Amino acid sequence: GENVEQHPSTLSVQEGDSAVIKCTYSDSASNYFPWYKQELGKGPQLIIDIRSNVGEKKDQRIAVTLNKTAKHFSLHITETQPEDSAVYFCAGGTSYGKLTFGQGTILTVHP
Amino acid sequence: DVKVTQSSRYLVKRTGEKVFLECVQDMDHENMFWYRQDPGLGLRLIYFSYDVKMKEKGDIPEGYSVSREKKERFSLILESASTNQTSMYLCASSSSSYGYTFGSGTRLTVV
Repeated sequence: GENVEQHPSTLSVQEGDSAVIKCTYSDSASNYFPWYKQELGKGPQLIIDIRSNVGEKKDQRIAVTLNKTAKHFSLHITETQPEDSAVYFCAGGTSYGKLTFGQGTILTVHP
Repeated sequence: DVKVTQSSRYLVKRTGEKVFLECVQDMDHENMFWYRQDPGLGLRLIYFSYDVKMKEKGDIPEGYSVSREKKERFSLILESASTNQTSMYLCASSSSSYGYTFGSGTRLTVV
């Protein structure tokens, strides 16, 4: 089955800096890679996703890159703000089927 | 907006009790999932269902069962609760054209 590894487990940045979270996956059949943000007391919410036929996708301050050959994908947050502080999860699988999640990254943005 | 509603935010149960966690979605999604979330381990798939009365084991099904009698409802059952099942439980639904939507989670404590 799929195995997704996520690093780092914690990330601390100053407001305005960039944050990068990296994930690797093992199953070549995976074609869908979403990222979720989980705020305290809430369920994870989708913030951006990328499919295997695309190398990069941007949405305002958030971008995701995918390297299929190396089987890794990354989340980039620019101009970080305190409200970006949360737990972030990457995942791999099929668009509507089983997803395998990474271990999570606790992002703290200091004002 | 798609809504996934989990019936309880917090539950405290005794060892050996039979526990029911309920999940309801309102967007006619075919697929429903139960995950448990533990610090440092991310989200791990317990069971999932691609259709009414269908169920498939995820990565950690031991000690759990599920029921899907209606399309909108997916129940997780702990046959005989144990302390190692103390965790956050997250339900999600998805369709072929719409990715995962998570509920807010149920924090279960088994004493």
